[in-house]
Amino acid sequence: AQSVSQHNHHVILSEAASLELGCNYSYGGTVNLFWYVQYPGQHLQLLLKYFSGDPLVKGIKGFEAEFIKSKFSFNLRKPSVQWSDTAEYFCAVGSAGNMLTFGGGTRLMVKP
Amino acid sequence: GAGVSQSPSNKVTEKGKDVELRCDPISGHTALYWYRQRLGQGLEFLIYFQGNSAPDKSGLPSDRFSAERTGESVSTLTIQRTQQEDSAVYLCASSLNPAGTGELFFGEGSRLTVL
Repeated sequence: AQSVSQHNHHVILSEAASLELGCNYSYGGTVNLFWYVQYPGQHLQLLLKYFSGDPLVKGIKGFEAEFIKSKFSFNLRKPSVQWSDTAEYFCAVGSAGNMLTFGGGTRLMVKP
Repeated sequence: GAGVSQSPSNKVTEKGKDVELRCDPISGHTALYWYRQRLGQGLEFLIYFQGNSAPDKSGLPSDRFSAERTGESVSTLTIQRTQQEDSAVYLCASSLNPAGTGELFFGEGSRLTVL
């Protein structure tokens, strides 16, 4: 069975600070990896995804994530956060024939 | 429509009553999922429909929960004899791709409060 762990439940940063949100998964086979974001009052939307190829994936709004297979990790990063990045971030793992399994989410608050 | 549509957006009900939540997926999306998000927690998988295949019901928490989907269109999630622990936001998502292989498009959710 798949499982996903997000290390930080709440993160508070000041604008221009760098961001890294941890995500680890457990699954023995080939996985597809996702980060979803939920801005206040909005629905969940895809931030970025990794299926294969370059393990460093670029997403929308300056976000990126790196797939490190040996560490079963897919951490999300952004060099300089903005107030508008305040949201809840969910890491998810999927594989062929298995539905997407989500982590518990990380609430990010960016102080102006 | 342009996105996944869910109704009602908010539902308050008394313990013991039945509720029905509706999801209208994006046209052409063969895969449809229901997830539950309790306050302060992550997304909990409930049920998955893929085309005309038998649904994956492995996430349904009890036999009070059931869901139907007509072909590749609307889905209804029914909760019978609601309990207070059923209070949550129920999220529907649809996808062009089979499970685990593609982007999910989520609706706004139906917030259920059981008094």
